Amino acid sequence: QKEVEQNSGPLSVPEGAIASLNCTYSDRGSQSFFWYRQYSGKSPELIMSIYSNGDKEDGRFTAQLNKASQYVSLLIRDSQPSDSATYLCAVQTSRKAAGNKLTFGGGTRVLVKP
Amino acid sequence: GAVVSQHPSRVICKSGTSVKIECRSLDFQATTMFWYRQFPKKSLMLMATSNEGSKATYEQGVEKDKFLINHASLTLSTLTVTSAHPEDSSFYICSAEEGLAGGLADTQYFGPGTRLTVL
Repeated sequence: QKEVEQNSGPLSVPEGAIASLNCTYSDRGSQSFFWYRQYSGKSPELIMSIYSNGDKEDGRFTAQLNKASQYVSLLIRDSQPSDSATYLCAVQTSRKAAGNKLTFGGGTRVLVKP
Repeated sequence: GAVVSQHPSRVICKSGTSVKIECRSLDFQATTMFWYRQFPKKSLMLMATSNEGSKATYEQGVEKDKFLINHASLTLSTLTVTSAHPEDSSFYICSAEEGLAGGLADTQYFGPGTRLTVL
């Protein structure tokens, strides 16, 4: 079982609609969760971080965390063609022995069609 | 937000030569930096964790003598690919960890990446 799992997609979304991305993780000791956006040929760009159960909103993005069910999701409202990218879910255990390294999912490719 | 730079952005070298990649945190001090590599259509794979003033911690399967990491200051880490071969061709990305006040979890910010092609 992979440590962090995402549906690879592509997730095709009409412009203006809501894109919903999911991520599950296996390590119950995980404490910090991040969503990164990566355009083709570019490095990842931080979108959101979330540490507590519930929702966290930032502009058109909402991250949702449920530690009991071990999943974290990202909603993109009013999707734009410029949102077309691969979205990476990253989980951090924050244990001193392991350092603060991130474990990445495989990414979900999102295509927003005009 | 925190800015991380990498140099060079792209490098082409001959097989058997060594290549050095620099990673700098421009507006914050980074005790810890990370080096990743990414193959086409694949996710990021952590190669090593670089701590200022101490030896790097390498992930399983990553050759320490081939990928030399030096974290000489709180704003600079370097990765040297020694005796590069075509199979080392990849997208190398560094990240720097910005610690938050109050002891909350740290956030990693990524550099723009270095595309290495070994002929």
